[in-house]
Amino acid sequence: ETGVTQTPRHLVMGMTNKKSLKCEQHLGHNAMYWYKQSAKKPLELMFVYSLEERVENNSVPSRFSPECPNSSHLFLHLHTLQPEDSALYLCASSQRSQEYGYTFGSGTRLTVV
Amino acid sequence: DAKTTQPPSMDCAEGRAANLPCNHSTISGNEYVYWYRQIHSQGPQYIIHGLKNNETNEMASLIITEDRKSSTLILPHATLRDTAVYYCIVRVARRATNKLIFGTGTLLAVQP
Repeated sequence: ETGVTQTPRHLVMGMTNKKSLKCEQHLGHNAMYWYKQSAKKPLELMFVYSLEERVENNSVPSRFSPECPNSSHLFLHLHTLQPEDSALYLCASSQRSQEYGYTFGSGTRLTVV
Repeated sequence: DAKTTQPPSMDCAEGRAANLPCNHSTISGNEYVYWYRQIHSQGPQYIIHGLKNNETNEMASLIITEDRKSSTLILPHATLRDTAVYYCIVRVARRATNKLIFGTGTLLAVQP
């Protein structure tokens, strides 16, 4: 248990489906992040939330829609995905104004069919 | 944030020390060196970080050269469970949204 919990661990969805990934942190952190890791590629930062406000969106397609209702929860809403969106989606959290790094969840393995 | 250079892969015998190098010749004075590792299909795990001085914790030691242009992560007694991709990242700490950007890292294979 890392303190950052992601659900579900595995998800298979069709291209016309709508699903959501959930991330919850119990560390009292005030910044949260979504990363995507495709096969044999480095982690790509998708979204950054600080104090529940989105502060960065790295040119991510609109079929990915993040939501941060409070400092402990982060969602990634998915709709009309493509097969190339199949990847490991990782959530992380950190504390502002501290030098310690990020704490990552175990990820959601997403397969789009 | 400064860029880092790591070898793509390394082997280490079980029980021996694993020394993973990282070059960060353009590091700025306020940038820390962070090390993470990622075991296959899991989330990255924080290992250690430092600014100027050498650091040690229960997982590893971090040796930073005096000019701060390179560093070495040392796993003193590698086990099979240490097989993972190790990432060296430099970034300014204590800044709200200073991103953690991952490169390709070093795949450490610990051999029995």
